[in-house]
Amino acid sequence: IAGITQAPTSQILAAGRRMTLRCTQDMRHNAMYWYRQDLGLGLRLIHYSNTAGTTGKGEVPDGYSVSRANTDDFPLTLASAVPSQTSVYFCASSDGVGKPDTQYFGPGTRLTVL
Amino acid sequence: GQNIDQPTEMTATEGAIVQINCTYQTSGFNGLFWYQQHAGEAPTFLSYNVLDGLEEKGRFSSFLSRSKGYSYLLLKELQMKDSASYLCAFTDSNYQLIWGAGTKLIIKP
Repeated sequence: IAGITQAPTSQILAAGRRMTLRCTQDMRHNAMYWYRQDLGLGLRLIHYSNTAGTTGKGEVPDGYSVSRANTDDFPLTLASAVPSQTSVYFCASSDGVGKPDTQYFGPGTRLTVL
Repeated sequence: GQNIDQPTEMTATEGAIVQINCTYQTSGFNGLFWYQQHAGEAPTFLSYNVLDGLEEKGRFSSFLSRSKGYSYLLLKELQMKDSASYLCAFTDSNYQLIWGAGTKLIIKP
């Protein structure tokens, strides 16, 4: 069982380019999340999805979009990357919706925007 | 508003005990999580508290006081592999996790 996979592991991107970070889970979890983690700051929620077909905005959604066409996949797209989006991006999933539940994290994508 | 605070860094000795504190403020609270994160890796779940008191799990214990907005993670018999960042996070009224910046724990021989 792989759990959650993310791709790519790392990426260097020119400013203004479009980029999609991929996330796939095989645990049949209902909810999925995208976070960014920056030095000295806590994990910040970008977007989330409580179930396939629905998405919601987190704390820092500007410049990012997501889709949830099925249960397993939750890609994050940067339409036009900017240097402030340099960060480590983590995808996570949890089984529970509407109740506290353990979130399981993917290995992360380290993104550098130049 | 909501906020959560924990020390940036702590140092302890192998074999000793260390307590990592976490304080939070929120109008809606549905429990507090502790995660461990080794450098360059993903966070992994350690504990969850929703009721006041101490939850013990092997060498790790977690305490919660809802009235004080306070939690701590207690690590006993420290091992070198415990060198990591420890993240606390509370669940708000929308069941979203609000994360602290993490406490980097350095273990010295």
